[in-house]
Amino acid sequence: ETGVTQSPTHLIKTRGQQVTLRCSSQSGHNTVSWYQQALGQGPQFIFQYYREEENGRGNFPPRFSGLQFPNYSSELNVNALELDDSALYLCASSLERGNEKLFFGSGTQLSVL
Amino acid sequence: LAKTTQPISMDSYEGQEVNITCSHNNIATNDYITWYQQFPSQGPRFIIQGYKTKVTNEVASLFIPADRKSSTLSLPRVSLSDTAVYYCLSSGGYNKLIFGAGTRLAVHP
Repeated sequence: ETGVTQSPTHLIKTRGQQVTLRCSSQSGHNTVSWYQQALGQGPQFIFQYYREEENGRGNFPPRFSGLQFPNYSSELNVNALELDDSALYLCASSLERGNEKLFFGSGTQLSVL
Repeated sequence: LAKTTQPISMDSYEGQEVNITCSHNNIATNDYITWYQQFPSQGPRFIIQGYKTKVTNEVASLFIPADRKSSTLSLPRVSLSDTAVYYCLSSGGYNKLIFGAGTRLAVHP
């Protein structure tokens, strides 16, 4: 167990809707990263938050946004859902932003119909 | 960030040693090499990390030659439960890790 929990585990939405995914980091970890993993592919970096501020972003459009709260839990928000947004969304926490040892949750499987 | 290249798939049998090699020709001076393991419907799990020479922990060894343009993850005496996807990453940037497609290891009885 990594100590990182994500909710919900599965979600079905329709095109155009908005979705919020949640992540609870491992205790003491101040950095959280979000990844999108399509079927059969490696995880793709969406963005990272460090102490409540965005600390880096991958090649994802602005309709992907996030928040990190004072207790270091976080949210991933996706607006105007598209069919290609169907994927496993992974949250990972780390002790510090320079630490490459990430602790991943089991993810949220999002299906967009 | 340096791109990594690794075999798409490998097959092995229980009890054998498995070596997965990763190529990272344009690795930067500050880059570490990190390996993750992923089972279906789970997030990746950190296995091992190194900068040069050899690193060993309770589950694997990592061999990095002097030029650091490649690395080899060694799994001793694999079991069926080692069937997974293995990712090699190199990154000097602290704000993101780049995953490739990984190597799908199948361990057979």
